[in-house]
Amino acid sequence: DGGITQSPKYLFRKEGQNVTLSCEQNLNHDAMYWYRQDPGQGLRLIYYSQIVNDFQKGDIAEGYSVSREKKESFPLTVTSAQKNPTAFYLCASSIGLGRDSGANVLTFGAGSRLTVL
Amino acid sequence: AQTVTQSQPEMSVQEAETVTLSCTYDTSESNYYLFWYKQPPSRQMILVIRQEAYKQQNATENRFSVNFQKAAKSFSLKISDSQLGDTAMYFCAFMNLNSGNTPLVFGKGTRLSVIA
Repeated sequence: DGGITQSPKYLFRKEGQNVTLSCEQNLNHDAMYWYRQDPGQGLRLIYYSQIVNDFQKGDIAEGYSVSREKKESFPLTVTSAQKNPTAFYLCASSIGLGRDSGANVLTFGAGSRLTVL
Repeated sequence: AQTVTQSQPEMSVQEAETVTLSCTYDTSESNYYLFWYKQPPSRQMILVIRQEAYKQQNATENRFSVNFQKAAKSFSLKISDSQLGDTAMYFCAFMNLNSGNTPLVFGKGTRLSVIA
């Protein structure tokens, strides 16, 4: 079945360490996204990518980095520069941006919970 | 920047009853999409319904319908015949089409509890 796989589901990090969250999709979607979810804050956009080898910053990109070397993969690195990284991270994909509404429907992964010790 | 406001952090409804979740948004654009997503306790986000701003007819998906008031910039979600499985966080989301390709902007969510 097609979908988005995020791993790991739970991750613990010591302060000062970088960690990478994996996101893989087999939907043949062009666009991929990373959102951060905190209690009472909704979903906030970290980075997004519309095409391989290209990505744009979202509203809260500081302390994060991404790459898009393959269409299927969009890993997120949480660096030591992120001051408050404990959160639930959601990866999503869509057919593309700016087309009909159906193409902009997001398919989400199951999420990764990062806890800084 | 566009903003999406969900003014009801928490709501509850009796099973089989009807409930309406509110959403307002702020934009100067005329061409956009609106969405409602559901996040049950499993935390898996699921699309509930979507609406194109150029369509006057309100979208409907089985027990879920919207009341889209473009002039008032309001996009409420009505759930009829509420079921226990409707217990979830509900997020309203907005996408602007006139300012380039920008991703969805989400509200802070409404936690809905369906009571037996």
